Parts: sequence; C-alpha cells; structure tokens
Amino acid sequence: AQSVTQLDSQVPVFEEAPVELRCNYSSSVSVYLFWYVQYPNQGLQLLLKYLSGSTLVESINGFEAEFNKSQTSFHLRKPSVHISDTAEYFCAVTSSWGGYNKLIFGAGTRLAVHP
Amino acid sequence: GAGVSQSPSNKVTEKGKDVELRCDPISGHTALYWYRQSLGQGLEFLIYFQGNSAPDKSGLPSDRFSAERTGGSVSTLTIQRTQQEDSAVYLCASSSNYEQYFGPGTRLTVT
Repeated sequence: AQSVTQLDSQVPVFEEAPVELRCNYSSSVSVYLFWYVQYPNQGLQLLLKYLSGSTLVESINGFEAEFNKSQTSFHLRKPSVHISDTAEYFCAVTSSWGGYNKLIFGAGTRLAVHP
Repeated sequence: GAGVSQSPSNKVTEKGKDVELRCDPISGHTALYWYRQSLGQGLEFLIYFQGNSAPDKSGLPSDRFSAERTGGSVSTLTIQRTQQEDSAVYLCASSSNYEQYFGPGTRLTVT
C-alpha cells in the first residue's frame, strides 16, 4: 500500500518569491509520482510527473520537482511565483507494478500568492 | 482532441433518492477511474475499469455505490438512497498509460 503526506496545508507567499511545496510518500514497491494542480472552481490538471530517468522533472510553467528515493520525497519548487499560481496542489503516487493503478493523493497544499 | 467530460456538472438531490453520474472518457483510453473529493476526506479513489478486466471496486464506500462501463467507453456511477455524507465532487479520469486525465467533476449536494 502507498500513502502520501503533504506537510503544509497552506503556503502563503509574495509574488516573485520562491516557493517549495513538500511531499513525502511511503510505499513497499516502486512508484510513479505526480503533481496535480487545481485552480479555483476547476478540475485537476497534471502539472508534472516522475516515471523514470532523470530525477528532476519540469513543467512548462516553471515548476520543477525532484524525486529523492532515499528520502522518499517529491517536493515541488518554483523560483519565482506569480499571482496566477494561486491554486491547490496535490501530490499523488501510484505503484509502478502491474499496469494501471489507482492514484493515492495527499491532502493538498493551498498556495496563496499575494501581491 | 476532447478531454474527459462529465454530466451533470451539478446535481442537487433529496436524501434517499438515487442519482446517476456520467463520464465520457478520452477516446481510445482503456482505463477509467472514479474518485471523490470532499472536504473531510480529500481525494479518494472509488473504482476503476481497465479494458475487459474485472473492475477494481476496492474504494467504494458502501454497497449503495455501483458503477458500470458500457462498451469500454462511457461510465455511469450510481448512488442509491443518497445520504448527506455522499455530498462531494465526483471526479472521473481516463488513462492510456500512467498519466490520468481528469474531467471537471460533478458536484453532488444531498439535502
């Protein structure tokens, strides 16, 4: 079984400041990791994913996340945030074994970017 | 192409009534998932379908919940005798690999 812990329920930050949203997971098998973003009154959108290869993955809008197997973490970072990044961010894990599998989500981190 | 669509977008029902929620996955995606998003429980897996395999129903919270997927495409989630604790946003996702693409959800309110 897998579980995901997002260490911060809310993260307030000023525009153009750096931000890190923390995610730790536990699993007895190899995993794939995801970050999803949910803008106000919208559905979930895939932000970035780690499946294999380079442990540093990037999104098209400047976010990056690093898979750290020894620390079982997949923290999300952005060096300079915009007002438009205000949203809820969900870390998710799925087993890499046996084909398609359900996603296990963390509780979410609400990022609030202030001017 | 078109993304995952769900209908209705909002549903208000009286306690004890049955409801049906519909999901149209992305064409060609063989896997379809239902999740529930509520304030108290976060995002929870409910059920998933993969091709012709038996569905994984391990996340359904009670026997009042059921789902079917017809012809490997459209899926319907049915909740019988709705209760107030069923109020939530019901999300559908489809996948052709490990990436799941979500629909906009159906907001269910049980009064």
